[in-house]
Amino acid sequence: DGGITQSPKYLFRKEGQNVTLSCEQNLNHDAMYWYRQDPGQGLRLIYYSQIVNDFQKGDIAEGYSVSREKKESFPLTVTSAQKNPTAFYLCASRIRTTSNQPQHFGDGTRLSIL
Amino acid sequence: DQQVKQNSPSLSVQEGRISILNCDYTNSMFDYFLWYKKYPAEGPTFLISISSIKDKNEDGRFTVFLNKSAKHLSLHIVPSQPGDSAVYFCAASGTSGGNEKLTFGTGTRLTIIP
Repeated sequence: DGGITQSPKYLFRKEGQNVTLSCEQNLNHDAMYWYRQDPGQGLRLIYYSQIVNDFQKGDIAEGYSVSREKKESFPLTVTSAQKNPTAFYLCASRIRTTSNQPQHFGDGTRLSIL
Repeated sequence: DQQVKQNSPSLSVQEGRISILNCDYTNSMFDYFLWYKKYPAEGPTFLISISSIKDKNEDGRFTVFLNKSAKHLSLHIVPSQPGDSAVYFCAASGTSGGNEKLTFGTGTRLTIIP
């Protein structure tokens, strides 16, 4: 069954700790994205990657880091530099063609501070 | 600067009637528009999209209308069903971003009253 898997569903971070959120897709999609959603707000783009071993900053990249070593995987690390990490994090992927294609989303990871 | 705006945070509609969700945008470079539906604690699900070369796109009970001169799009759901109760996000992308980056509105919570 093809899809995007995010894990864990819930994650707790202690002050000063780095945590890594997993995102795996078996859709053979080229591009992958990380968004953050806060209450009452839309989704804001953190990082995105169009191909393996390449990624670009989104609108709110400070305090986050990513890697794209494999096509199917795009983990997000929330570093201690991110002062307000409590949010719902969403990973998405998209096939890249000459025509417009929608992004498809995983079910998210909710990160909270202990 | 919010480039995609959903000015109605919530909307209640009687079951069987038409639901109309609105979205305005300010960036003239946007040329691809999407609607997503989101249930609590889940990722957004792609509903329907429209390219700027069209003014209407229909898929079953869902129709999206685009008015480029007014920079306005709307989603019509007919007839509305209880399962349609969710938060709806509109999103847009443009050729200036290589169609990679989506900009989201803040969402409208639709409640269908049985």
